[in-house]
Amino acid sequence: EDQVTQSPEALRLQEGESSSLNCSYTVSGLRGLFWYRQDPGKGPEFLFTLYSAGEEKEKERLKATLTKKESFLHITAPKPEDSATYLCALAGGTSYGKLTFGQGTILTVHP
Amino acid sequence: DAEITQSPRHKITETGRQVTLACHQTWNHNNMFWYRQDLGHGLRLIHYSYGVQDTNKGEVSDGYSVSRSNTEDLPLTLESAASSQTSVYFCASSESSGDTQYFGPGTRLTVL
Repeated sequence: EDQVTQSPEALRLQEGESSSLNCSYTVSGLRGLFWYRQDPGKGPEFLFTLYSAGEEKEKERLKATLTKKESFLHITAPKPEDSATYLCALAGGTSYGKLTFGQGTILTVHP
Repeated sequence: DAEITQSPRHKITETGRQVTLACHQTWNHNNMFWYRQDLGHGLRLIHYSYGVQDTNKGEVSDGYSVSRSNTEDLPLTLESAASSQTSVYFCASSESSGDTQYFGPGTRLTVL
C-alpha cells in the first residue's frame, strides 16, 4: 500500500528564515511525486511533479527535490504570502491516475 | 482559460436529505475525482471516473454515488445525508496519460 508522511505538521518561520518541509513515502513503483499548495478556503494548487530520484524543480522561492525515500520542499527567504498548507502526494505503479496524499504541513511566515 | 468549477460553494442540509454536488471541467480531461477533506484525515478519495460511463469506488465511498454521462461533468450524490458527511468536498481532473490532478475550489457541506 502506498503511504505518504509529511513533517512537521506545522512550521512557523520568520520572514527570510529558510527551511525545508519533508515528505517521506513508500510506494511500489513511483510514477510521480507531487507538491501542492492550499490556501484557506481554496482548492489545492499544483506546484511541482518529480519523477525520479535526483530530480529537482524550482519556482520562485520554492525548490522541490526527490530521493528514493523522501522529497523535500525547500523554501528560501520566505515571505508572509508563502503562508499556506503544503501537500505532498504520490502516484504509484498500480494507481492508474489516483493519488495518495499526505496530511500536509501548515506553514506560517511571520513578517 | 480551461478551469474546473464546483457548485454550490456552500450548502447546509438536513439529515436524511438527498444532496448533489456539481463538478464541471473545461480541460477536456478524461479522469475525474471526488475527495473529501477533514481535519486529521487529509484528502480522501470518494469516487473516480476514467471516462464517460466509467465510475469506481474510492476509499470512503459508502453513502455516496457518482455518474458520468459526459466528459465535462461528474456530479456527486449523497443519497441520504448524515452528519458524518459534513466536510469540504473537492473535485479534481487529470489527463488520461498523466497523473497531475487539477482541483476545483471546493464545496463546504454542513449536514444538520
